[in-house]
Amino acid sequence: GENVEQHPSTLSVQEGDSAVIKCTYSDSASNYFPWYKQELGKGPQLIIDIRSNVGEKKDQRIAVTLNKTAKHFSLHITETQPEDSAVYFCAAWGNNRLAFGKGNQVVVIP
Amino acid sequence: DSGVTQTPKHLITATGQRVTLRCSPRSGDLSVYWYQQSLDQGLQFLIHYYNGEERAKGNILERFSAQQFPDLHSELNLSSLELGDSALYFCASGRDHTGGYTFGSGTRLTVV
Repeated sequence: GENVEQHPSTLSVQEGDSAVIKCTYSDSASNYFPWYKQELGKGPQLIIDIRSNVGEKKDQRIAVTLNKTAKHFSLHITETQPEDSAVYFCAAWGNNRLAFGKGNQVVVIP
Repeated sequence: DSGVTQTPKHLITATGQRVTLRCSPRSGDLSVYWYQQSLDQGLQFLIHYYNGEERAKGNILERFSAQQFPDLHSELNLSSLELGDSALYFCASGRDHTGGYTFGSGTRLTVV
C-alpha cells in the first residue's frame, strides 16, 4: 500500500520566517495530495490540497508544490504567525483511502 | 464546526468491554472513513464506506467492525477491548470516493 513519510518531525521557526515541510510517497498512482493542520484537542483540518495534474497551488500565506517524478510534495508557510503552531499532516490518495504521514510539529517562536 | 458529528467525545471503559462510536457525516457526503490516532502511529486508516458499501479496509483488527446505515451515519464497534486500544478515533466524510475529507472532532477512548 501507499507509504507517506514526512520530514522533519519537529520544526521551530521565528515568527515572520518561512516554514517548509516535505513529504514523500511511494505509489506512483496516487493522484491527490492534501495537507491537514491539527490543533490540540481538535480534528485535522484541511488547509490546502493539490491534484497530480498541477505542479503548484497557493492560498494566501500557504502553498503546496508537487514533483511527480521524484514523488515528493511540500508545504510552504510564509510570514509565520503564532497561530500557525500546530501539527501538520500530509497525505496521499490511493486505493480508496488517504494514507497519512506521521505529522510535523511546527512551533512558531514569537 | 466541521459538519461531521462524532459521539461520544470521551469514553472510559474497562478491558474486555465493547463500545460503539457513532459518526454523522456532513450533509450530502456519501463517504465515511474511520481512523485511529495514537501518539506513536499517527493517523491509521481503518475502513471506508461509500453509500452503505465497504470500499476499502486498512489494518483493522478482527475485534473491530463498522457499518454505514441507509441514513449514511456510521458506527464503529470495538469489542474485547485492550489497553492498547486507547486512542483517538476520528471519522471523516467526503462527497464521493476520490479524496477531500472533512474530519470530525474525534472520540477519545480510554481503556482501563
